[in-house]
Amino acid sequence: DQQVKQNSPSLSVQEGRISILNCDYTNSMFDYFLWYKKYPAEGPTFLISISSIKDKNEDGRFTVFLNKSAKHLSLHIVPSQPGDSAVYFCAARGMNRDDKIIFGKGTRLHILP
Amino acid sequence: DGGITQSPKYLFRKEGQNVTLSCEQNLNHDAMYWYRQDPGQGLRLIYYSQIVNDFQKGDIAEGYSVSREKKESFPLTVTSAQKNPTAFYLCASSSPVYGLAGGTDTQYFGPGTRLTVL
Repeated sequence: DQQVKQNSPSLSVQEGRISILNCDYTNSMFDYFLWYKKYPAEGPTFLISISSIKDKNEDGRFTVFLNKSAKHLSLHIVPSQPGDSAVYFCAARGMNRDDKIIFGKGTRLHILP
Repeated sequence: DGGITQSPKYLFRKEGQNVTLSCEQNLNHDAMYWYRQDPGQGLRLIYYSQIVNDFQKGDIAEGYSVSREKKESFPLTVTSAQKNPTAFYLCASSSPVYGLAGGTDTQYFGPGTRLTVL
């Protein structure tokens, strides 16, 4: 039973355009959400996070939007650059002491020249 | 400079042998985690430890064992009981904060160890 779903295994975007990666979750008790970027044969690197008390968080070219009523979050990258080609993981966690971070299966982003 | 290290980068093992993967962090994080990544599977949690001398099973703990004798170190042993051990193993650490609508839990990952069973 996947609690965090990234329904698009891959996405191709032209360089300079906006990349939008989507993530859906099923657990309404999740209160903290993260996006990670991963290159092949490397560990994931943290990109951006958002708490459930917000609906938007921005950091440079990266913006995460949270729609709690739809249990949906998205990562916007603008403008997209060649170095953005990687696998992006969405993750979520509840507010309790024993809650663990749950990762989605990832979306592979290809930035086209 | 602070970080999380894993060694070795590549590891080969014969069937039937146990092997231990190293994970060290100097970030002063309380919590440490082991994940396994397989193609198309995302990150699956093997074991995690929220404090020294304590650890809990994750979603796929069978065939693995861990110890947490020091805050900085969280080694993972892949035993011969693990039926399909060939994978990319990732260690992470964090200092989670829990609470009503204000918690954080940014996990920082090591570079990974690619284990291949021959």
